[in-house]
Amino acid sequence: DAKTTQPPSMDCAEGRAANLPCNHSTISGNEYVYWYRQIHSQGPQYIIHGLKNNETNEMASLIITEDRKSSTLILPHATLRDTAVYYCIVRPRLHYGGSQGNLIFGKGTKLSVKP
Amino acid sequence: KAGVTQTPRYLIKTRGQQVTLSCSPISGHRSVSWYQQTPGQGLQFLFEYFSETQRNKGNFPGRFSGRQFSNSRSEMNVSTLELGDSALYLCASSRGGGGPVDEQYFGPGTRLTVT
Repeated sequence: DAKTTQPPSMDCAEGRAANLPCNHSTISGNEYVYWYRQIHSQGPQYIIHGLKNNETNEMASLIITEDRKSSTLILPHATLRDTAVYYCIVRPRLHYGGSQGNLIFGKGTKLSVKP
Repeated sequence: KAGVTQTPRYLIKTRGQQVTLSCSPISGHRSVSWYQQTPGQGLQFLFEYFSETQRNKGNFPGRFSGRQFSNSRSEMNVSTLELGDSALYLCASSRGGGGPVDEQYFGPGTRLTVT
């Protein structure tokens, strides 16, 4: 089962920031938070990941609370092309010679960006 | 750098037949994972291959199998197809190790319809 909880749907106005929350209250110290998104009928797209510090890349920012029990993905200026299902996933740290394990997808948040 | 490619993109088969799907990972990636996506069950992990060996396996019947070649390309096979096997089959590649995290990058998927 997925170790995360996300709202089933959210709306955002085009050009505004989209803030997608995720609860992962049982996360352990060696687990990372990953975000993927899936635009209709396409393969999921990797967005960002983080451990405990806030992270930013060209696509989004990830804010993780100090207790690490929740996080927020921020799309700073949402466009219509950002309409997708967004998945928050918890994964363990990769150990040498091992696998980080498969991605366990929950139902995600369906983000609708409206003009 | 070219992304993950999957062939064919669309496939229609009849119950009882078998099917082989192909995945070419990103250059330099040694791990290939397969996922099944259906409207009812969402995205579910099938198996992971690394250096031509199955490293991780999901909870699917033995009719689902896979293999990986020395160039990291992978195939998955489904024998004795059932109507419930109709799904989007996704392949994801990753480096497979060398750091604390191992992002998976997905291909566009193969849409299989069983009639």
